[in-house]
Amino acid sequence: EPEVTQTPSHQVTQMGQEVILRCVPISNHLYFYWYRQILGQKVEFLVSFYNNEISEKSEIFDDQFSVERPDGSNFTLKIRSTKLEDSAMYFCASSVTYDSSYEQYFGPGTRLTVT
Amino acid sequence: RKEVEQDPGPFNVPEGATVAFNCTYSNSASQSFFWYRQDCRKEPKLLMSVYSSGNEDGRFTAQLNRASQYISLLIRDSKLSDSATYLCAVNRRDSGTYKYIFGTGTRLKVLA
Repeated sequence: EPEVTQTPSHQVTQMGQEVILRCVPISNHLYFYWYRQILGQKVEFLVSFYNNEISEKSEIFDDQFSVERPDGSNFTLKIRSTKLEDSAMYFCASSVTYDSSYEQYFGPGTRLTVT
Repeated sequence: RKEVEQDPGPFNVPEGATVAFNCTYSNSASQSFFWYRQDCRKEPKLLMSVYSSGNEDGRFTAQLNRASQYISLLIRDSKLSDSATYLCAVNRRDSGTYKYIFGTGTRLKVLA
């Protein structure tokens, strides 16, 4: 069964450093998403991406964040200058369509720890 | 008021019991609804979409009540392996795009 993959599974970085989280969405999916989940809290939407453009972003997704699809398979989330409060699980998701009934499938996540 | 609300639990039930969770949503523009299961420190896994007429998948039954703006998940004959957090997700239209909003989840513990 096709699945979303993410690397690395765990990233430790120092405050102020840049990190890039990588995702490979399901191959026939066209829409990609990033979410974060701070420990013990709910899953929060960050950004959606389609056709090499951001479709939607939340208030959390400020200028420190960027997304890119550098090639035909990878989808990346970059945090330019990490803060302590960026420590969280970051999940990538993808869907075939983007309409009222689309189902999203999640990758296993990257645990980001900022020290 | 949160847009999507769930009782955080935990719901502690014995094996074999039937358990039900509700999830309320406040935005009437919400169009589609989903239940996800999340194990500790793992990703949300899609359990089932929730259709207007209600739907069943084995021991799991999902219902939608648009008038009262809630969805429910019923688990029959609970197994130890059903222990997890159950997240509801609501998809609504907002200025031409769709937003997926998650609840905080309801924790279920099935006890031997």
